[in-house]
Amino acid sequence: EDQVTQSPEALRLQEGESSSLNCSYTVSGLRGLFWYRQDPGKGPEFLFTLYSAGEEKEKERLKATLTKKESFLHITAPKPEDSATYLCAAYGNKLVFGAGTILRVKS
Amino acid sequence: NAGVMQNPRHLVRRRGQEARLRCSPMKGHSHVYWYRQLPEEGLKFMVYLQKENIIDESGMPKERFSAEFPKEGPSILRIQQVVRGDSAAYFCASSEDRANYGYTFGSGTRLTVV
Repeated sequence: EDQVTQSPEALRLQEGESSSLNCSYTVSGLRGLFWYRQDPGKGPEFLFTLYSAGEEKEKERLKATLTKKESFLHITAPKPEDSATYLCAAYGNKLVFGAGTILRVKS
Repeated sequence: NAGVMQNPRHLVRRRGQEARLRCSPMKGHSHVYWYRQLPEEGLKFMVYLQKENIIDESGMPKERFSAEFPKEGPSILRIQQVVRGDSAAYFCASSEDRANYGYTFGSGTRLTVV
């Protein structure tokens, strides 16, 4: 059965304090690895898709990377508005989500 | 482009009643997916539909739950005889085709069973 595990469950950072979120996956025939951002009371918002090991994508303070077993979401110099739940999802024959990492950035 | 529209945003039902959740996909999207999110848990796949067809319902509970995506109108997720354990946020997503894995999600319907 396809599985996606995210760590840590929650992360508190000071503004400007860079860190990384981890997503490990076990998926047969990975077709894509996705990162979403979810704000309270809202649906997930698409951030990145990664298709093959070694691939990297960047958007503002976020950078996503992919290996054969894991993906990382690196957050550089975060701001309070980056506070959200970050979801990782892997697509084998359906999109399977991890439980998410709740990120809080304090000013 | 209004995006994926779900209604109602909040729904309260008493135990034993029926809940109907609606989802209108993005314009041009013919693939619809329903997910359920329980507190402290990730999004769990329920069902994948195309117009008039259920493609994959492997995540749907065997009883009381059904889904449809008619030729005209929104996709409907129907829960009969609701129980407290059905309380959750239900999200709908859509995509242009099956190979487009970057689903666009709606804002969800939060179902509370009292």
